[in-house]
Amino acid sequence: DTAVSQTPKYLVTQMGNDKSIKCEQNLGHDTMYWYKQDSKKFLKIMFSYNNKELIINETVPNRFSPKSPDKAHLNLHINSLELGDSAVYFCASSQRSTNYGYTFGSGTRLTVV
Amino acid sequence: GENVEQHPSTLSVQEGDSAVIKCTYSDSASNYFPWYKQELGKRPQLIIDIRSNVGEKKDQRIAVTLNKTAKHFSLHITETQPEDSAVYFCAASRNAGNMLTFGGGTRLMVKP
Repeated sequence: DTAVSQTPKYLVTQMGNDKSIKCEQNLGHDTMYWYKQDSKKFLKIMFSYNNKELIINETVPNRFSPKSPDKAHLNLHINSLELGDSAVYFCASSQRSTNYGYTFGSGTRLTVV
Repeated sequence: GENVEQHPSTLSVQEGDSAVIKCTYSDSASNYFPWYKQELGKRPQLIIDIRSNVGEKKDQRIAVTLNKTAKHFSLHITETQPEDSAVYFCAASRNAGNMLTFGGGTRLMVKP
């Protein structure tokens, strides 16, 4: 019973396409995140939602649009994909009121060709 | 905002030796410092964390130390084993459960 699940695990697509990545958590957490991990393994925050509200939006091209239909789901839609978007995208969740860190999803490896 | 620096970026040790990874942070209000281990092709997983009200925490072969005055914290792995080979990330936040800022990662290689 996966705590934070992402789909798809792998995504290969052509430049210019639009694609979505989905994330769901069953931990009852109130905050969810998207991180991008590039080829050098650096984990960079993209977005954070708390109870469906956007609270962090780092310097990310507006081709990236997150959507949170409820606090258990945070999806990421990417328009007009570019070669530089190739990376592993991790979803994570946390509960602000607790003394514990993140739980990460298994990641989505996006390859733009 | 918070900035976390991590060193070294790569570390190679012989099996059985100790490994030390160091991080510095910039935001004096940060009070939660977790460490994550990421094996090849897998998700980062929390291995140990420390809060600013303690200076050291141990869990079997791993330990973390925190120096709030100097704003640095370190991960110590003793008696390293090949299965310790992975990328390790330090992170900092103002409270557990809040947004984490990650260091750049350390690739640890333990040679048998």
